[in-house]
Amino acid sequence: QVQLQESGPGLVKPSQTLSLTCTVSGGSISSGDYYWNWIRQPPGKGLEWIGYVSYSGTTYYSPSLRSRLTMSVDKAKNQFSLKLSSVAAADTAVYYCAVGLGFWSGYSHGVYMDVWGKGTTVTVSS
Amino acid sequence: DIVMTQSPDSLAVSLGERATINCRSSQSVLYSSNNKNYLAWYQLKPGQPPKLLIYWASTRESGVPDRFSGSGSGTDFTLTISSLQADDVAVYYCQQYYATPWAFGQGTKVEIK
Repeated sequence: QVQLQESGPGLVKPSQTLSLTCTVSGGSISSGDYYWNWIRQPPGKGLEWIGYVSYSGTTYYSPSLRSRLTMSVDKAKNQFSLKLSSVAAADTAVYYCAVGLGFWSGYSHGVYMDVWGKGTTVTVSS
Repeated sequence: DIVMTQSPDSLAVSLGERATINCRSSQSVLYSSNNKNYLAWYQLKPGQPPKLLIYWASTRESGVPDRFSGSGSGTDFTLTISSLQADDVAVYYCQQYYATPWAFGQGTKVEIK
């Protein structure tokens, strides 16, 4: 069974870049048809899907964050990562990585996320 | 973009009673070629990651108690907990994965009355 574990700094200063890594164990990040996702939950708010990087390196970012986001896969380390630039207090959240198989919907590959990391809390503050 | 709207925002149900959560999408999430609704339900408890309960609108994830069931098609969906247990206190989210950007509903908080 695949397991995911997020890692990264718990505190980031405003205007800096947030960098998180998700380490995959129990399976290969190169396995076909899997989509590796980031989701966040700000304090007192709901879940927000951030984006994905596919097994082949294809990315899709939420339009609201697209200008500040970069996601990538490191096959050698069996990891995928998120970089969010120019952070502000509104980026304070619990960040989760999650994965699922992709299914064509006629528009895009759709993924329900059946494996999640435990989450990591990121606070943006000076 | 597809917008997901859940109702109610919160509900309180007595132990052993039925809890019903609704989710509406701003456009259909049914793919006619495979007749599948690209709709999932998750359970979120404090300090824990989200847990997948239901996918394809009505398929229960392995290990999920059968008191949880999903129904609906097109734009209107329901998550039902047939007999509420204390362990079911949580916030529940629907998610469409029909078209990017994928989206969650705002969540429904379920409490014990």
